[in-house]
Amino acid sequence: ETGVTQSPTHLIKTRGQQVTLRCSSQSGHNTVSWYQQALGQGPQFIFQYYREEENGRGNFPPRFSGLQFPNYSSELNVNALELDDSALYLCASSLAELEGPYEQYFGPGTRLTVT
Amino acid sequence: KQEVTQIPAALSVPEGENLVLNCSFTDSAIYNLQWFRQDPGKGLTSLLLIQSSQREQTSGRLNASLDKSSGRSTLYIAASQPGDSATYLCAPTNSGYSTLTFGKGTMLLVSP
Repeated sequence: ETGVTQSPTHLIKTRGQQVTLRCSSQSGHNTVSWYQQALGQGPQFIFQYYREEENGRGNFPPRFSGLQFPNYSSELNVNALELDDSALYLCASSLAELEGPYEQYFGPGTRLTVT
Repeated sequence: KQEVTQIPAALSVPEGENLVLNCSFTDSAIYNLQWFRQDPGKGLTSLLLIQSSQREQTSGRLNASLDKSSGRSTLYIAASQPGDSATYLCAPTNSGYSTLTFGKGTMLLVSP
């Protein structure tokens, strides 16, 4: 069983640029969620995808967008990068089924630095 | 809106001590609650998941309890070891498909 993987590990971008982060879900999982974790804070929910459809969104502007592919891998895109976007971006996958328990498994994260 | 508070924010203990980490949440209508461990700059490792119908879960030296009505969960770590040093985060969900709401965590340092 393969765990959740994310790429790249680290990324440095300039303010105003665009970035794409990638996530491969754990085998058999159909739901992926993205979180942003600023230094010293707990992760904050960005959005969730279930079977390629957005299934919920946190308090993030539209320049944060995402995709989920038929193989349940996912991308997080951020346009017009701002300095405050510097953070650890975490992807989590889970299996959504009627019986639950919907345990979420996290990847190692992508550290984004915006200069 | 669910809000999560973890106390203490930081804890430093000598090896061998038994520890209790506290988590409180404002909306008691949760579906489940997960405890995670996070090493510096790394992703989250799931430690325990407690479903809303359960009172506690155990894994090795870890025991987590849940009191939904009072909006509290505790993580008990027995016989702490230096390798337990990390930040511990609790996160309830309010529906099966929903998202995790995190507190800021408890940073634990266990010294030899």
